This record gives sequence, structure tokens and C-alpha cells, in this order.
Amino acid sequence: SQKIEQNSEALNIQEGKTATLTCNYTNYSPAYLQWYRQDPGRGPVFLLLIRENEKEKRKERLKVTFDTTLKQSLFHITASQPADSATYLCALDRGYSSASKIIFGSGTRLSIRP
Amino acid sequence: NAGVMQNPRHLVRRRGQEARLRCSPMKGHSHVYWYRQLPEEGLKFMVYLQKENIIDESGMPKERFSAEFPKEGPSILRIQQVVRGDSAAYFCASSLDRSSYEQYFGPGTRLTVT
Repeated sequence: SQKIEQNSEALNIQEGKTATLTCNYTNYSPAYLQWYRQDPGRGPVFLLLIRENEKEKRKERLKVTFDTTLKQSLFHITASQPADSATYLCALDRGYSSASKIIFGSGTRLSIRP
Repeated sequence: NAGVMQNPRHLVRRRGQEARLRCSPMKGHSHVYWYRQLPEEGLKFMVYLQKENIIDESGMPKERFSAEFPKEGPSILRIQQVVRGDSAAYFCASSLDRSSYEQYFGPGTRLTVT
């Protein structure tokens, strides 16, 4: 069965630096991969989606890469700020037309220190 | 445009009682997903529903758990004869359609079984 591993349960970096989070998966390559942000006591918030035929996607200070050969996605936050502190989840799906099961990683807790 | 609504936000039940969790998707969304999150763990898919149909319930325990999404009204996740192990945060998410892969999450219902 498909498994997701998000390296580092926690990541602590200095404000202004680039934070890089890793998501690795086994078995099949998903049709697409998503990244979410979750703050304590709240539901996840969708950030970015990248499809299997895309290498890179950007949104403001966020960048996601997708390497189907390495079976890995990297999530970058440039010029990090304390407000970026949260847990970041990656998720993937087969992209079936009729059935759907999105699998979430356990998350990486990111802390940005001033 | 209101987001995904879940109620109650907090629910306390004694062992053996029933828990009913409600989810109203975003306006115009006809796809609903339920997830369970244990402390320090990732989101676990439970069930995917469209109006009046269960599309995928492969993540749902075979006993005591059921879900519905009627033609009118919110989606309901029902847990009968709750046990302490059912204590968790239950999140509902909705999407516009199957091709809109990003999901919008509600604030969650925190169930505590005493």
C-alpha cells in the first residue's frame, strides 16, 4: 500500500532563511500531490497542488517541486517569518475518477524563530 | 461565502453513548470527506460521500461507524457505543467536484469519550 513519509517531525529555523520540507512516497506515483498548512486546533488549509507532469509550482514565497523518479516532493518557504510557524502536511491521491482516497503524511512541525 | 461548517466543535460522550457529528460543506460543493486525527498523528481518511451516495468508505471501521450525506441537510458522521479510543478530532472537508482536487476543511469536532 502507498505510504508517505515526511522527514523531520519538527524543523526549527531562523527567520529570513528558507525552510525546506520533504515528502517521500512509496509505490505508485500519484496523479498529483498537495501541501496543506495546519495550525493548532484548526483544520488544514490548502496551499498548493502539483501534478505528476509538473516539475515545479510557485505561489508567492512558496515553491513546490515534484520528482517522480525520486518519488519525492520538496516544499520551500523563502524569506521565512514567525507567522509561517505551523504544521505542514503533504497529501497524495491516485486521482481515480470515481473513488477517492487522499493519503496524508503525519506532518512536519515548522518553527521560525525571530 | 461561508466555509465548511462543523458542529459541535467539542463533544463529550460517556462510553456506550452515541456521537453525531455534522458537516455542512461550502456552498456549491457536493463532495464531502471525513477524516480522523489522533494527537500527534496525521489525518486518516474515513469516508468520501456525494449527495445520497457513499463513494468510498474504505477508511471507516466496519462496526459502530456510519456516515450519510442526504439530499437536504448536512453530512452526518455517527459513532454508536463510543469507546475511549474514539476520542480524536474529526475533520470534514468538501470539494467542488472530483476534478477540483483541493479540499476545504472545516474547523473539526473534538470528541472526548469519558
